[in-house]
Order: sequence, then C-alpha cells, then structure tokens
Amino acid sequence: ILNVEQSPQSLHVQEGDSTNFTCSFPSSNFYALHWYRWETAKSPEALFVMTLNGDEKKKGRISATLNTKEGYSYLYIKGSQPEDSATYLCAFDRDRQTGANNLFFGTGTRLTVIP
Amino acid sequence: DAGVTQSPTHLIKTRGQQVTLRCSPKSGHDTVSWYQQALGQGPQFIFQYYEEEERQRGNFPDRFSGHQFPNYSSELNVNALLLGDSALYLCASSLLGSEQYFGPGTRLTVT
Repeated sequence: ILNVEQSPQSLHVQEGDSTNFTCSFPSSNFYALHWYRWETAKSPEALFVMTLNGDEKKKGRISATLNTKEGYSYLYIKGSQPEDSATYLCAFDRDRQTGANNLFFGTGTRLTVIP
Repeated sequence: DAGVTQSPTHLIKTRGQQVTLRCSPKSGHDTVSWYQQALGQGPQFIFQYYEEEERQRGNFPDRFSGHQFPNYSSELNVNALLLGDSALYLCASSLLGSEQYFGPGTRLTVT
C-alpha cells in the first residue's frame, strides 16, 4: 500500500495570517504530485501539478514547492482570506512505467480562516 | 462547457441492496476513474475505464463493478451493500494518462 501523509489534519488561522501544510509521499516511482482545493459540496479543484524536483508553482497568494528526492511538498498560503477555507488534498501520481495512472491521496488538511 | 457531473447527489440504501451511480465526463475526455472517500480518509481508487474496458483496478472486492458507454459516460455498481460502503463516491474524467478532473461526488448512506 502506497502511503501519502498530510499534516496538519486541520488548522484555524486568523484572516491575514500566512500558513503552510505538508504532504509526504514515496520517493520512488514518482511521476507527479497534485494539489487540490476542495470546498464542501463542490468538486475538488486542481491547484497545481508538480513534476520536477525543485519545482515551485504559484497561483495568486498560493504557492507550492516539491522535493522528490526526500518525498515531500509544501503548500503555502500568504495572507489567508475567509474564502481560502477548504480542505487541501495532495495526491501522488506514479511513474507511468508501472502502467498505472491512478492517484493516491492523503487525508487532507482542513483549513478554516477566521475573519 | 459543463465539467464532470454525477448523479444522484445523495442516496440512501439498505444493507444487501444494490446501487448504481452515474458519471458524465468533461467534454472531450475519454477516461473515467472512480474513487471512494470514507469518513476521515482520503479518496481511494476503485477502478478506471477507458474504451469501455476496465483498465485498472484498486483494492476493492468484486461487489464493485462498472461500465463505460460509447459516449464515455460511466456507471459504478455496488452489489450486496454493506454498512462500510457508506462513503462519498467521486468520479474523475481525463484524457488517458493526463490530469484528472473531479465531479462533486455522490454521497451514499447504507443503513
């Protein structure tokens, strides 16, 4: 069984605070690491697809980094806003040589931004 | 352009019954994957359909079966429902091997 872990499970921050979460994954058979933002009763929304060691991606106030050698990725949110409240999921995508392209998800980090 | 749609939104069934969940992929996509998210867990891969065939399967019993139609839409069937099958079922569509786009899910409650 392939293990993807996210921490923390949940956190509450004040509006304006910056925060970050961690996703750890296997360092072998790596193809890509996906970050999703998931609001209650909506579809998970893709934030980033990261493929190269050292990748850094940014979308507005949200950014992510990737270390495939040690098997971790960080998601950062700068100046959190109430609309950032959601569950943030990471998903490990295996090397296509395995013949597979299903995703292995962590349990998510539930962020609540307090106005 | 409609994204991935799933029906129904919610469903309540009794143990031992059978259920069918439906998924319409994003326009242009040819591959459909199904995931189960039980309470407190991340989504877990059930299976993937491409060209109307099951291409990959996760660690789920044979009670879980599926189908893909010529228009690429898909169904997930679960027979002999157990209480432990209560979960959110997510459908994702993609072009084969490419990024997956998710629907909002079907919440199944087994009583």
